[in-house]
Amino acid sequence: GAGVSQSPSNKVTEKGKDVELRCDPISGHTALYWYRQSLGQGLEFLIYFQGNSAPDKSGLPSDRFSAERTGGSVSTLTIQRTQQEDSAVYLCASSLVQGVNQPQHFGDGTRLSIL
Amino acid sequence: GQQLNQSPQSMFIQEGEDVSMNCTSSSIFNTWLWYKQDPGEGPVLLIALYKAGELTSNGRLTAQFGITRKDSFLNISASIPSDVGIYFCAGPDRGSTLGRLYFGRGTQLTVWP
Repeated sequence: GAGVSQSPSNKVTEKGKDVELRCDPISGHTALYWYRQSLGQGLEFLIYFQGNSAPDKSGLPSDRFSAERTGGSVSTLTIQRTQQEDSAVYLCASSLVQGVNQPQHFGDGTRLSIL
Repeated sequence: GQQLNQSPQSMFIQEGEDVSMNCTSSSIFNTWLWYKQDPGEGPVLLIALYKAGELTSNGRLTAQFGITRKDSFLNISASIPSDVGIYFCAGPDRGSTLGRLYFGRGTQLTVWP
């Protein structure tokens, strides 16, 4: 596709369940980022991947959060044993290469609601 | 992490008016970015600033990189209804990993016709 694609666009689940969020970056983009946006807040960095390098996981809020990127393309963010405070919009972005001079292109996000 | 403070939090203006918003940081930034987010969509980059004192325009939008490196301003001239949205400032600080961005909380802009 032309842009960053995220699925599902909306997810409602019960507290304690695991969820998987998917991101399909722009073709050819080697850097991929996950952010979280809580209601009325700015974006909070979670994790990024650059090529085959080890990901920077320093933004993950707890060990319930994990992400992987298979084959250098599609990425999955997994949240285990979800809590109500996990409710937020999860945004994925990609850029051609890692670096601030490379604009990050965002998907439309997955809106996650934990009941 | 970095603290980016945006103001105002929200603005209600009439079509045709000019808008000004700003962002300050607790430490020096080498890059300032301004994004706009429409409802239900991801942020879109409007303007990128890479040098202290730099003034850059994109149509009716003008942004400046403060000379202290701790602030930036975004101005919108002759606002129109499609300017409605949330405007975010963002950037990495010196010590952060390249590409990882910190975001302000946003300025919600409403434009009345």
